[in-house]
Formats: sequence, C-alpha cells, structure tokens
Amino acid sequence: RKEVEQDPGPFNVPEGATVAFNCTYSNSASQSFFWYRQDCRKEPKLLMSVYSSGNEDGRFTAQLNRASQYISLLIRDSKLSDSATYLCVVSTGGFKTIFGAGTRLFVKA
Amino acid sequence: NAGVTQTPKFQVLKTGQSMTLQCAQDMNHNSMYWYRQDPGMGLRLIYYSASEGTTDKGEVPNGYNVSRLNKREFSLRLESAAPSQTSVYFCASSGTLTGELFFGEGSRLTVL
Repeated sequence: RKEVEQDPGPFNVPEGATVAFNCTYSNSASQSFFWYRQDCRKEPKLLMSVYSSGNEDGRFTAQLNRASQYISLLIRDSKLSDSATYLCVVSTGGFKTIFGAGTRLFVKA
Repeated sequence: NAGVTQTPKFQVLKTGQSMTLQCAQDMNHNSMYWYRQDPGMGLRLIYYSASEGTTDKGEVPNGYNVSRLNKREFSLRLESAAPSQTSVYFCASSGTLTGELFFGEGSRLTVL
C-alpha cells in the first residue's frame, strides 16, 4: 500500500463547477499536510497547508480528518486556470515528506 | 527573484556515462533536496542536506551521489547512468523542516 494515495483522475469538469479531491495516508504519526499544484511540465508549487481545523483560501478549502487519515481539497467555481495536477503531501516530521502521485484536473470552457 | 535554479534543463546520456546536475538557491535556506518524478508515482526523495556540510540518503539513493558545496549549492551526480534513471529531477529547498518546499524548474534526463 502506498503511504499517500490519491485518485489519479483525470477529473474533467466545466467552468464554474465544484470539484473535490481526496487523499488518504497510512502513517498515523504524520504531522504536517499540504496540497501542491503542478502545471504540465512545470515544478510543484505550494497551494495551501492543511490545518486540523480546516482552512480556506479564496475558492479553495482544505480539510483534515486525522481519525480517518484523510485529507480533502475542494475547489469552488472552477476556472480554466485551475487545470493542473494536485499533489497531496504528508510529512511525519524531520525530512520524511511523502508526495502522492497526484490528481489531474481539466477544466473545460 | 531567482529562487531555486537547476542546470541543465535537458540532458541525454548513454548508459554508463556520468553527469552532474547543479542546483543553487538564493533564499538563504538551510535545507536542500533532490527528488525524482516518474509517471504515475509521486516525487521520491533521493538525497537531502539538512544544512551545509551534511547530506543524508532519502528513499531512492542508489546510483547517485551528492555534494553540498556551500549553503547555496547542492549537486547530484550520476556516476554510471542507467536507463532506470531516466526521469525528471527536481531540486528543492526549505527554510524549516516541515515547511514549504521551493522547487527548481526540473531537469529532464534520458538515459539510452
């Protein structure tokens, strides 16, 4: 079993749609959680950190469920520019940071 | 605002050849990393350097060596390239242990 698992997609949604990505992790000692965005043939960039109480940044909402070892990312009112791969990232502290394989999103006009 | 700069961006090698990927950051970060990214897999850590003068193995270190030349620079060397090392390599840096990783643009390596 992979330490961080994501649905690879792709998710194909129309502009304006709401889309949700899920991620599960296997190590209950994980301490820090992130979502990164990676555009095609580009480097990953931090989208947002994920806090225990959940957090929101504009159209993006991240949730963490420690009991179920589950992280989610919700994108509301999707834009064409949201098309990218979204990487779930989990850290157990120190330098052990595990990246999920990513979920691809295509937003269509 | 250069951030993390890696060279070269593209390289084609023959099996058995050697090469070094260079990485430099201008953010005064202590920690630097080398990852590889393969289709269908997440980024996997090859080596990291917690601070100048230290390096440690990550998840997939076999076939690679690294040098932390100074606080700014962290190089990755393939001594005898193999087709299994065909991948996209990313250098990254961070200011804290569990903080944001800042990545270079990547180096696409093909080993024939």
